[in-house]
Amino acid sequence: DPKIIQKPKYLVAVTGSEKILICEQYLGHNAMYWYRQSAKKPLEFMFSYSYQKLMDNQTASSRFQPQSSKKNHLDLQITALKPDDSATYFCASSQDTNERLFFGHGTKLSVL
Amino acid sequence: QQKVQQSPESLIVPEGGMASLNCTSSDRNVDYFWWYRQHSGKSPKMLMSIFSNGEKEEGRFTVHLNKASLHTSLHIRDSQPSDSALYLCAARRNSGTYQRFGTGTKLQVVP
Repeated sequence: DPKIIQKPKYLVAVTGSEKILICEQYLGHNAMYWYRQSAKKPLEFMFSYSYQKLMDNQTASSRFQPQSSKKNHLDLQITALKPDDSATYFCASSQDTNERLFFGHGTKLSVL
Repeated sequence: QQKVQQSPESLIVPEGGMASLNCTSSDRNVDYFWWYRQHSGKSPKMLMSIFSNGEKEEGRFTVHLNKASLHTSLHIRDSQPSDSALYLCAARRNSGTYQRFGTGTKLQVVP
């Protein structure tokens, strides 16, 4: 019974299009994150949120926009998709920012 | 530049053997360390955490931390084929809001 739900599990997109990755957590955590993992790069931090407020952003491109409509939701909108954006995007949460991370199963994005 | 460095990049150990993995932070402002394990095609899951100098043991897993050198190591004794996975070290800066991960050590335990 997954406590962090990511949708979809797999996503194929064309270059230039826009997609939204969904994340909901049912652990009652206050902090949520997005990480990205590809064959070329290690698990890379993108955004952190605490109590629905953006705390840190290590993504250089404004094409990546997190959206938190509810306390337990943190979606990721990606615009003008490029083949280089192909990766597995992991949503994670923790009780607080100094606690262990719990990860969702990931969304594997392929941009053609 | 990679601020959390792990070695070796890959490691093969025989079943029943000891695996030793290393991790060092080049960022002096790090205070917390974690070790995660990621099986192929799965998401990372936390194995152990360590915040104070010294050693911590949980079952077959032992983690060490030297805060002066910002070096942590993970030791797996009596390694099993099910331990074959990518092991990720993560560190958080003082008052930071996220964990930065290293490139990982790919462990293979062969029967």
